[in-house]
Amino acid sequence: DGGITQSPKYLFRKEGQNVTLSCEQNLNHDAMYWYRQDPGQGLRLIYYSQIVNDFQKGDIAEGYSVSREKKESFPLTVTSAQKNPTAFYLCASGAGTETQYFGPGTRLLVL
Amino acid sequence: AQSVTQLDSHVSVSEGTPVLLRCNYSSSYSPSLFWYVQHPNKGLQLLLKYTSAATLVKGINGFEAEFKKSETSFHLTKPSAHMSDAAEYFCVVTLTDKLIFGTGTRLQVFP
Repeated sequence: DGGITQSPKYLFRKEGQNVTLSCEQNLNHDAMYWYRQDPGQGLRLIYYSQIVNDFQKGDIAEGYSVSREKKESFPLTVTSAQKNPTAFYLCASGAGTETQYFGPGTRLLVL
Repeated sequence: AQSVTQLDSHVSVSEGTPVLLRCNYSSSYSPSLFWYVQHPNKGLQLLLKYTSAATLVKGINGFEAEFKKSETSFHLTKPSAHMSDAAEYFCVVTLTDKLIFGTGTRLQVFP
């Protein structure tokens, strides 16, 4: 099956802890994106990557970090510097035609 | 600057009646516009996309949208609502290599 997978579905973070959200795609897309979704708001762009070994900050990058070592993978780390991490995180990929395809999301909760 | 405004945060309809979800956009050039749907705790699914071809765009599940440049609108419609249409709908405009999301409209469908 072609598509985007995100894991885990739910993730719990303790105070001061870094956590990493996984995103994998087998659509052969060059571009990948991470969004944060809060209740009553649209999606806000955290980071994006147009090509392997390159990525750019989005609108709300503070407290987050990413890597893009493989075309298929774009993991997001929520660092301890992110003071309000509770949200639904969505990963997407695209082939340069503007349309983005989304994964099922990871819900991050703080203990 | 590119932006979208979804005029209603909630819309309620009865099953079998028409659906209208309103979206106005602001763009300094001819934009690409999208509607995405999100069911609870799921990722986003593309409903339809406008890219300056036909102004009336047909999407999946019986939805369609009309691009009206004079009104800067891209409203989403469906002739007859189904219970399975209950979800959150996002109007989206492109900004170079990024997507700009509206704040969403939650559609409720009553039997």
